[in-house]
Amino acid sequence: DVVLTQTPSILSATIGQSVSISCRSSQSLLDSDGNTYLYWFLQRPGQSPQRLIYLVSNLGSGVPNRFSGSGSGTDFTLKISGVEAEDLGVYYCMQATHAPYTFGAGTKLELK
Amino acid sequence: QVQLQQSGAELTKPGSSVKISCKASGYTFTSYDISWIKQRPGQALEWIGAINPGSGGTGYNEKFKGKATLTVDKSSSTAFMQLSSLTPEDTAVYYCARGRRVGNYWGQGVMVTVSS
Repeated sequence: DVVLTQTPSILSATIGQSVSISCRSSQSLLDSDGNTYLYWFLQRPGQSPQRLIYLVSNLGSGVPNRFSGSGSGTDFTLKISGVEAEDLGVYYCMQATHAPYTFGAGTKLELK
Repeated sequence: QVQLQQSGAELTKPGSSVKISCKASGYTFTSYDISWIKQRPGQALEWIGAINPGSGGTGYNEKFKGKATLTVDKSSSTAFMQLSSLTPEDTAVYYCARGRRVGNYWGQGVMVTVSS
């Protein structure tokens, strides 16, 4: 199975600070169809995960543009440009190129 | 609007089975796969598998073969997951989500507790 390694596991930030989360894959996520099926989700406490980014860098519907995704192959990054209180929770990357689809272990974003 | 409404919490005993549901509304049920995802308390997410409501075709994570069985009832736009031979390691929240690759619509989750 593809292993996704997220760093850091805990991220402490102040409101307005810009932060980044890394997601590294044990193998390339470039599919034979030319797409890279790498997604980012945010799970707020007590809620279902919400998809933020799809196909590496595409912003989900209704997702604020302070979120951005980048990367290729095996290295991917989620950036939040100016953390807001509603951004606190656990962030997961997920790959859907290779079955079984797998998630990273998560990065908890908390207030400093 | 698209909604996935899951059934209520379950408290079950080791060795038993449980069947949880996911009722879809707001879109054509047969147009999108339904995925199922497991989240143990305080743990990350695991993709269990997915079902095509139109054909009934399924794809499973090998880890969950023999544990999870996915079915649908097209007449009620409802997807089901049966978990068998339950152990304490099956205690988790189980989510359904629209799309084989897990899209932007999720159910609220079902807490399944396995305890004697």
